[in-house]
Amino acid sequence: GAGVSQSPSNKVTEKGKDVELRCDPISGHTALYWYRQSLGQGLEFLIYFQGNSAPDKSGLPSDRFSAERTGGSVSTLTIQRTQQEDSAVYLCASSHGAGGTEAFFGQGTRLTVV
Amino acid sequence: GENVEQHPSTLSVQEGDSAVIKCTYSDSASNYFPWYKQELGKRPQLIIDIRSNVGEKKDQRIAVTLNKTAKHFSLHITETQPEDSAVYFCAAPIFQKLVFGTGTRLLVSP
Repeated sequence: GAGVSQSPSNKVTEKGKDVELRCDPISGHTALYWYRQSLGQGLEFLIYFQGNSAPDKSGLPSDRFSAERTGGSVSTLTIQRTQQEDSAVYLCASSHGAGGTEAFFGQGTRLTVV
Repeated sequence: GENVEQHPSTLSVQEGDSAVIKCTYSDSASNYFPWYKQELGKRPQLIIDIRSNVGEKKDQRIAVTLNKTAKHFSLHITETQPEDSAVYFCAAPIFQKLVFGTGTRLLVSP
């Protein structure tokens, strides 16, 4: 595709349910990031994948959060037993190489936990 | 530590004035410094970037300056217009991971 694609665009889920958010990065981009953005707030780093290296999970807020990146391409962010405070926009970004190149963002997934 | 500090958090200016946003970074090996603009309800998008081999870069009304010795860089917007109102994020690679500043909400009043 031409850009970073995220799905779904919007997700409403009941408290306690699990959700999966998907990110399709730009083809050939080896770096992939997940961020969380609460209303009116900044970009909270969650996790970073770079090539075949072990992911940097230092930003995951709790063990309810996990992410995978299969085949160096598509990534899935999973939130288990969702809580109301998980409500936010989840943004994915990819770049060609490590941190020294432009990161392109997807349109985000707006998660609402009711 | 792995951080990029950004100031101010909010900035209000009159149309036509200049706006300056400043960032500092911790990794002396950082060599790439992008600025992103995020309009309400939209994704962040790159507006300008600079590499460590130059001290300043301009693109029409926006410019970025870099001081590698002091480890800080700044975004300058001249002749601000209402459509410049947005949140601006700086970023720098810290240990090869792109780390974002906390953002500056710029409001340009007509």
